[in-house]
Amino acid sequence: GAGVSQTPSNKVTEKGKYVELRCDPISGHTALYWYRQSLGQGPEFLIYFQGTGAADDSGLPNDRFFAVRPEGSVSTLKIQRTERGDSAVYLCASSLTDQETQYFGPGTRLLVL
Amino acid sequence: KQEVTQIPAALSVPEGENLVLNCSFTDSAIYNLQWFRQDPGKGLTSLLLIQSSQREQTSGRLNASLDKSSGRSTLYIAASQPGDSATYLCAVHTLNTGFQKLVFGTGTRLLVSP
Repeated sequence: GAGVSQTPSNKVTEKGKYVELRCDPISGHTALYWYRQSLGQGPEFLIYFQGTGAADDSGLPNDRFFAVRPEGSVSTLKIQRTERGDSAVYLCASSLTDQETQYFGPGTRLLVL
Repeated sequence: KQEVTQIPAALSVPEGENLVLNCSFTDSAIYNLQWFRQDPGKGLTSLLLIQSSQREQTSGRLNASLDKSSGRSTLYIAASQPGDSATYLCAVHTLNTGFQKLVFGTGTRLLVSP
């Protein structure tokens, strides 16, 4: 079956702009996760959804970052007033339940000029 | 705070060699430990998952061991092939931060030359 998909695969924006990154989880997976991977680093946890609600958003770096999952499936990560330091690969993962293995998407490469 | 370290940061070997990648973590209170593979421009692929009660897991030419008390795991790759070239990431689910959060190391970039 289809895996986790993320769009766009690449996004170039200017400092100060607003961006939205989309994640389509594996069908039927109730848990969804966002991670951020900076160059040369491992992924870092941002936020975790169980169904429609954000069960843990402790990894969001500041209030410019926000994520939603209104129908318990697709999720959107929103970044306001982007900064050059936001440049990274944003990875999405999903799992059948929050006790199961996480399956990762290919990521969105964000470059803020 | 859980910290995960991977050594070496990069490794280059000729095809056919056996090799060992190392992972260490500071908080031994973990649910489990996973090894992932990351290819350029692609997502992460889970290779092996070792539960905290286990000491090792094997899949084909890969063998991962876990010593929870010392905070260490190793990934052994037998008879390496050029197709094994990728970045290998170690990650743990820590009890204190919740099962849902994977804490990753910085990875080992492996290059296997023909």
